[in-house]
Amino acid sequence: EVQLVESGGGLVQPGGSLRLSCAASGFTFSSYEMNWVRQAPGKGLEWVSYISSSGSTIYYADSVKGRFTISRDNAKNSLYLQMNSLRAEDTAVYYCATLYTVIDAFDIWGQGTMVTVSS
Amino acid sequence: QSALTQPPSVSGSPGQSVTISCTGTSSDVGSYNRVSWYQQPPGTAPKLMIYEVSNRPSGVPDRFSGSKSGNTASLTISGLQAEDEADYYCSLYTSSSTWVFGGGTKLTVL
Repeated sequence: EVQLVESGGGLVQPGGSLRLSCAASGFTFSSYEMNWVRQAPGKGLEWVSYISSSGSTIYYADSVKGRFTISRDNAKNSLYLQMNSLRAEDTAVYYCATLYTVIDAFDIWGQGTMVTVSS
Repeated sequence: QSALTQPPSVSGSPGQSVTISCTGTSSDVGSYNRVSWYQQPPGTAPKLMIYEVSNRPSGVPDRFSGSKSGNTASLTISGLQAEDEADYYCSLYTSSSTWVFGGGTKLTVL
């Protein structure tokens, strides 16, 4: 079964750090470009970051640039998001998603992990 | 604020058709055919419903269709069913190497 499972969410104080993980199974993870997409409570979807299949190309949304770092370990079929200097506005459910490059669409999504930034 | 504009809500009765619009500019929606649509029922992850403006992934009912005219892409759901009640988002890849989503549209099946 094709599956993405996020973990690592939780409650963190403003200015703190958190590392999210996304475990992939059922497909050849190393061949897929990956993304993080977030959704604040009651709000819409917001793209956060992209990483190419090899990890050599990375993009970030302006809202997280300089604070978040995306990475991957193809040997472990895993995607990561290191989040530093967290702000209240980073509170959201964070989804990992594959990008089907040929069609520029996010075709496999995880169930999400909740990050709450609050004192 | 989203670069893609969607109506906040639409509604329809079972069996009817509804259309959700996604308006951009001549530099994005008007120039490229990489518009995709996602369905998100309450409390669940998004699901890809339409890619490249009008193509359906395997398993998506043919009641769902997409189109584009000028700077506006549209998702039409015909033969509405109760299970179609969800939030719907359009998305596209931008020339700045980023992806953008519309603000989302809540579909209510009356």
